[in-house]
Amino acid sequence: NAGVTQTPKFQVLKTGQSMTLQCAQDMNHEYMSWYRQDPGMGLRLIHYSVGAGITDQGEVPNGYNVSRSTTEDFPLRLLSAAPSQTSVYFCASSYSSRAGNTIYFGEGSWLTVV
Amino acid sequence: LAKTTQPISMDSYEGQEVNITCSHNNIATNDYITWYQQFPSQGPRFIIQGYKTKVTNEVASLFIPADRKSSTLSLPRVSLSDTAVYYCLVGAFLFTGGGNKLTFGTGTQLKVEL
Repeated sequence: NAGVTQTPKFQVLKTGQSMTLQCAQDMNHEYMSWYRQDPGMGLRLIHYSVGAGITDQGEVPNGYNVSRSTTEDFPLRLLSAAPSQTSVYFCASSYSSRAGNTIYFGEGSWLTVV
Repeated sequence: LAKTTQPISMDSYEGQEVNITCSHNNIATNDYITWYQQFPSQGPRFIIQGYKTKVTNEVASLFIPADRKSSTLSLPRVSLSDTAVYYCLVGAFLFTGGGNKLTFGTGTQLKVEL
């Protein structure tokens, strides 16, 4: 019963370092996305994908890259970490149907950039 | 993309019914209304979704008036464990060819006390 799995759970980076947040889903969902959540705020969409090989920018894409080589995986890359990227990151997957859609979220990845 | 407005916070006591209203004046014809619940340090979790009139499941009811410009999430007989942030989302399929993207507002912080 894995659902959406994110790794790592916690990470501390130094400014300028790069890293990849991993996300995998086992529900065969077409759509996957990355959100960030800052204290006292809602979730903001970073990047999303409508299927393997297709990605697009969300509300706050700067400083992040994504790729979708398989249906299951949707990694988020920070190329040169900045303190402003300190946040909680949530990966999500969903399907669409005539009845709308339901988003399934991972447990989150806490990232601190010092 | 329909913008939503919710109260920032609400307080209640165990055993009471809680109604959280969301305003979405510019909802589009194809948009569905979805509510999510988020506990601290966890990803949001789907509660209920509807298009019009009333929807009920094992945890909540969703009331949508005929003009669909608002909706009300009703939680019957809340308990301490219902203390969480509740998000109202309005949109069509999560990711469509037209680029519709669901975004989260700041949500409503519900606090349930004894």
